[in-house]
Amino acid sequence: AQTVTQSQPEMSVQEAETVTLSCTYDTSESDYYLFWYKQPPSRQMILVIRQEAYKQQNATENRFSVNFQKAAKSFSLKISDSQLGDAAMYFCAYRSAKSGGSNYKLTFGKGTLLTVNP
Amino acid sequence: KAGVTQTPRYLIKTRGQQVTLSCSPISGHRSVSWYQQTPGQGLQFLFEYFSETQRNKGNFPGRFSGRQFSNSRSEMNVSTLELGDSALYLCASSLGSWAANEKLFFGSGTQLSVL
Repeated sequence: AQTVTQSQPEMSVQEAETVTLSCTYDTSESDYYLFWYKQPPSRQMILVIRQEAYKQQNATENRFSVNFQKAAKSFSLKISDSQLGDAAMYFCAYRSAKSGGSNYKLTFGKGTLLTVNP
Repeated sequence: KAGVTQTPRYLIKTRGQQVTLSCSPISGHRSVSWYQQTPGQGLQFLFEYFSETQRNKGNFPGRFSGRQFSNSRSEMNVSTLELGDSALYLCASSLGSWAANEKLFFGSGTQLSVL
């Protein structure tokens, strides 16, 4: 079974600064997808960025980028020029690339609460 | 395009009661997944439905059940409620192929409190 670990329960950053959230995972599969989701106080999970394991290039979405280290099974999220609206709980998630019933799910880490200080 | 709608938003029940939560997916989506979110355990997968069939089930006791209707709306039921069932229950909808580029869209959840 796959596991996802987020070792930082809480992080804080000054507005306009850069912060990196850590995530490690364990899997025996070679093809999979990794995600970062944001959950603001509204509770709705919002996809921030995704990475496909077979792609070596790190994904980037505006101020959000990842550092994907497949051999180390590490998948960190960097937020540049942090804004007050970035304050939220961030979850790292894993999904198998295999098809089949048992693979139709996301496995989440326990989350990192990000505070942005003005 | 309307998003994923979960009702009710809040629910208070007592131990031993049963509860039914509802999830209406985005129009055209045929897959609905359910997750339980608690401070201690984080987000845990409950089950996934596609075209009225349960395709995957998480490691939860039989008190947790679900179903999906022909219009893709889904309900989950928890019988004989326990204090530990207090949680935020999230549902997510998608087209259902789980292809590489398929996105999951989440609702805002139902916060269940068991007293």
